[in-house]
Amino acid sequence: GAVVSQHPSWVICKSGTSVKIECRSLDFQATTMFWYRQFPKQSLMLMATSNEGSKATYEQGVEKDKFLINHASLTLSTLTVTSAHPEDSSFYICSAPNAGGTDTQYFGPGTRLTVL
Amino acid sequence: GDSVTQMEGPVTLSEEAFLTINCTYTATGYPSLFWYVQYPGEGLQLLLKATKADDKGSNKGFEATYRKETTSFHLEKGSVQVSDSAVYFCALLNTGNQFYFGTGTSLTVIP
Repeated sequence: GAVVSQHPSWVICKSGTSVKIECRSLDFQATTMFWYRQFPKQSLMLMATSNEGSKATYEQGVEKDKFLINHASLTLSTLTVTSAHPEDSSFYICSAPNAGGTDTQYFGPGTRLTVL
Repeated sequence: GDSVTQMEGPVTLSEEAFLTINCTYTATGYPSLFWYVQYPGEGLQLLLKATKADDKGSNKGFEATYRKETTSFHLEKGSVQVSDSAVYFCALLNTGNQFYFGTGTSLTVIP
C-alpha cells in the first residue's frame, strides 16, 4: 500500500533555532498534504493544508510565519518550525490522501520535536 | 465546533476477550466516520469507515456502526489477539473536508 515517511523521527533543539521536518509520499504523488500537531493525551489537530505549487492554507490560530510550509514537489512537503520555543514541543504528523479523494489518508509515522 | 470524544485508555485485555472502544462525535451536517489504528513505530492506518447513518464499517474482525441518533461510532471486536495491540483513533471528516480526531486509545492485549 501507499507509504508516507517523515524525517526526522525525533529532534531535540535549543530554543530559538529552526527545525525542518520532511514529509514524503514514497510510492504515489500527492498534490495535497496535511500537517497535524498532537499534544500528549490530546487529539491530532489540523495545522495546515500543503498544496503543491501554491501557498499552504492554515487553520485558524496557526501562525503562518511560525510554521512555514513548502510543498516543493509532488512527493515532498516540508514544515519548518521557526525560532522554536519549548511550547512548540509536540508530535507533528503529516498525511496525504490517496488518488481516490480526501476520505482516505495515508499518515506518516510522526516527528517528535523537543525544544529545550 | 466539530469534535470527537473517545474512551480514554489505556485498555488492557487478555487474548480472546471482547473489545469495545467508545466514540461519540459532534458535527453539523453529515460527517463520515473513521477508525484509524497506529501500530508502534508506524503511521496511522485506516481500519474502517462509514459514510452515512446506519452504515457498518468492518475490517480484520473489527466493526463499528454509524449511529446518528446517539452520535456514536463505537469500535468492537469479538476476540482480540496480541497483534491487535496498538493505539486506536476515532475520527470524523466533516462536510468542509476537515478531519477531527479523538485523543486515541491505547490497547494492550496480553497472552
